[in-house]
Amino acid sequence: DQQVKQNSPSLSVQEGRISILNCDYTNSMFDYFLWYKKYPAEGPTFLISISSIKDKNEDGRFTVFLNKSAKHLSLHIVPSQPGDSAVYFCAARDDKIIFGKGTRLHILP
Amino acid sequence: DAMVIQNPRYQVTQFGKPVTLSCSQTLNHNVMYWYQQKSSQAPKLLFHYYDKDFNNEADTPDNFQSRRPNTSFCFLDIRSPGLGDAAMYLCATSRALNSQQYFGPGTRLTVT
Repeated sequence: DQQVKQNSPSLSVQEGRISILNCDYTNSMFDYFLWYKKYPAEGPTFLISISSIKDKNEDGRFTVFLNKSAKHLSLHIVPSQPGDSAVYFCAARDDKIIFGKGTRLHILP
Repeated sequence: DAMVIQNPRYQVTQFGKPVTLSCSQTLNHNVMYWYQQKSSQAPKLLFHYYDKDFNNEADTPDNFQSRRPNTSFCFLDIRSPGLGDAAMYLCATSRALNSQQYFGPGTRLTVT
């Protein structure tokens, strides 16, 4: 049973616009959430994280929002750039880190 | 500079023939993890080592074993690969349990 769900397998966004990637979770014991980015033929690399005691964390073009009551988090990328085309994994932590299936983001020229 | 190195990047093995995948790290991290990722699926944790302490996930098949002879190296042994074991195998490290993980590029295993 999936505890971390990324319901959109893929997303296409015009260059310069905002990309919004969504993630839902079921376990209220998760205390920390992470986003990883993966290029083809490379391993996932850490992008940004947020503690469960916060509702927003921002790092340059990347912002993660956490809505604990809805058990939902989202990653916003603005403005989107061609190099952002990748697979994005949402992950959550209780005693271990659990990954979602990923969303493939295509940035269109 | 590569920090988590996996060799080989691509491995082909025959059904039932034992195979070993290797991972090394230059980060001197205490924890090393092995994940299995099948196409369009989430990476699934198989097991991890905290120093020399081995921790197996409850649903990891007995067919999968691991060795960590020293801090830098960790091996994944598949004793009798089946067709269903074809996947990407990702190694990761972290300084402490549940701290940020650093992934290697993965080894794609094909079973013929």
